[in-house]
Amino acid sequence: AQSVTQPDIHITVSEGASLELRCNYSYGATPYLFWYVQSPGQGLQLLLKYFSGDTLVQGIKGFEAEFKRSQSSFNLRKPSVHWSDAAEYFCAVGPSNFGNEKLTFGTGTRLTIIP
Amino acid sequence: GAGVSQSPRYKVAKRGQDVALRCDPISGHVSLFWYQQALGQGPEFLTYFQNEAQLDKSGLPSDRFFAERPEGSVSTLKIQRTQQEDSAVYLCASSLDSGGFAKNIQYFGAGTRLSVL
Repeated sequence: AQSVTQPDIHITVSEGASLELRCNYSYGATPYLFWYVQSPGQGLQLLLKYFSGDTLVQGIKGFEAEFKRSQSSFNLRKPSVHWSDAAEYFCAVGPSNFGNEKLTFGTGTRLTIIP
Repeated sequence: GAGVSQSPRYKVAKRGQDVALRCDPISGHVSLFWYQQALGQGPEFLTYFQNEAQLDKSGLPSDRFFAERPEGSVSTLKIQRTQQEDSAVYLCASSLDSGGFAKNIQYFGAGTRLSVL
């Protein structure tokens, strides 16, 4: 069965500092990988996705993520965070050989930004 | 509408009551998903529709949970005889299912927060 691990429950960074959120997945084939962000009281917004091809993917709001098959990882990065980036971040994995099926999410990483 | 719409946003129920949660997907989206998000957790899959057909209901936690999408658009998640452990945010997502690169991108609503007292 597929699974996602986000080892960091809570991360605090200073505004303007760089950010890396970790995500490890377990899946038998090439996965589809996603990062979503959730602000309080809001639904999930897609930041970026990896389906195939270039392993470094760019997303919205200046985020990027790198797929590393050898490490089963899909870490999210941002060179300089803004106070508005404070939110909960979820990594998710989906099967790669079909139509639409369920996503499996990690437990999330809460990001706090300090001035 | 422009996005996935869920109603009500908040629902308080007494233990044992029945509740119905509504989801309006993005117009034209074929696939619809329900997820349950407990406090401090990631969303967990409940069920999936393609048009009006419920293709996967493996995530429904008990037979008290029932979902329908009779005309292939609006969906309702019904919980009978609610229990305290049903307290969670219920998220609905839809996807276009057009094939190609846009495939598998799920767009989420803001959710319904259910509190069972």
